[in-house]
Amino acid sequence: DTGVSQDPRHKITKRGQNVTFRCDPISEHNRLYWYRQTLGQGPEFLTYFQNEAQLEKSRLLSDRFSAERPKGSFSTLEIQRTEQGDSAMYLCASSSPRGRRPNEKLFFGSGTQLSVL
Amino acid sequence: AQKITQTQPGMFVQEKEAVTLDCTYDTSDPSYGLFWYKQPSSGEMIFLIYQGSYDQQNATEGRYSLNFQKARKSANLVISASQLGDSAMYFCAMRGDNTDKLIFGTGTRLQVFP
Repeated sequence: DTGVSQDPRHKITKRGQNVTFRCDPISEHNRLYWYRQTLGQGPEFLTYFQNEAQLEKSRLLSDRFSAERPKGSFSTLEIQRTEQGDSAMYLCASSSPRGRRPNEKLFFGSGTQLSVL
Repeated sequence: AQKITQTQPGMFVQEKEAVTLDCTYDTSDPSYGLFWYKQPSSGEMIFLIYQGSYDQQNATEGRYSLNFQKARKSANLVISASQLGDSAMYFCAMRGDNTDKLIFGTGTRLQVFP
């Protein structure tokens, strides 16, 4: 169990540029989640995948955001035409739920800290 | 809608003492789960403890215990024998039985001093 891996750890970009983040979940986990965390706040749900299917997207996820998980393994989160308000920590988590029960535990990566100048 | 409220932005505790971090929640789901996560300065969210709404006993995991009071809709985290390494942000979170996403509170920053 190597844990959830996110790359890069830090990204600084200029307003208007596109950025892409990668998440590698724990290998046997079929669910993958993306969260966004701004300073002084708890993580906010963005979207999640079960295998390669994207099952839910938050209203926080504007048209400039897109997430993929093409082979049901790693996932990418792309932000187009970045804005200063996109500056945040982007957290990825994975899980392997047994049925639809509320005790599904998420395993998080260390996040990608995005700064938009 | 589900909501988690953590009213303590910061808490201080002396090493080896116990500390309680407060969490209240609101949900209309008949079945739900409550979680506590620790986030050190490295950024990773570390799972600490889980309590199911129908669990008969309060959850315990080593030095962590959850004081679950269903009627009051509270799920406070108790850390016994605090250690310097416990200094971190602590987040309470919940999931209803009919949703796949975990909802987080705003967190409490705990600082343990010698």
